[in-house]
Amino acid sequence: QSVLTQPPSVSAAPGHNVTISCSGSSSNIGNNYVSWYQQLPGTGPKLLIFDNTKRPSEIPDRFSGSKSGTSATLGITGLQTGDEAEYYCETWDSSLSAGDVVFGGGTKLTVL
Amino acid sequence: QVQLQESGPGLVKPSETLSLTCAVSGYSISSGYYWGWIRQPPGKGLEWIGSIYHSGNTYYNPSLKSRVTISVDTSKNQFSLKVTSVTAADTAVYYCARLVRLHFDYWGQGTLVTVSS
Repeated sequence: QSVLTQPPSVSAAPGHNVTISCSGSSSNIGNNYVSWYQQLPGTGPKLLIFDNTKRPSEIPDRFSGSKSGTSATLGITGLQTGDEAEYYCETWDSSLSAGDVVFGGGTKLTVL
Repeated sequence: QVQLQESGPGLVKPSETLSLTCAVSGYSISSGYYWGWIRQPPGKGLEWIGSIYHSGNTYYNPSLKSRVTISVDTSKNQFSLKVTSVTAADTAVYYCARLVRLHFDYWGQGTLVTVSS
């Protein structure tokens, strides 16, 4: 049971847009930056978004991140079949110690 | 280009100690940043295990802290993970990664460790 809550799955058709939510609390998302990772089938995680809204240079601008209060959202526009993957949010949580990394449970994106 | 590569036994017996090493190339660990271990049980999500700075300062997941030790060897530009008293629940793909402020920007390819007799 993760302290960050994500929907288990989302789906949309190619070319459409989708959002994935990540809900937390004041001890994690509310007071820290959020990152997002993409994990394609059979591969390791890849950084998509960091510091809530920033993209590494190689990530296309179809991917975007936002944060409001204790929730964060990953947006993907113009869905492609290659976007079908598991997506994870991540941040720090200070409720138990000086700072622990926490991940969301993951969201499986299906491009119909 | 920063690259990380995990290595270690793929099979560990129950109650024994799991040991993995992460070799870093393209960046000197001594230059800064934290370095971390993350694992993923088959079919499940990501779980942070712990992180270490080049000075040896460490942070551990509270749920694993009693069994985990992360160490760094700056002369070999690598860091290591030990998990004691393993059970089947420790079967997972183990990843090493570079932690920059609050995000992991470079990841290893991962290595599957199975706990079984």
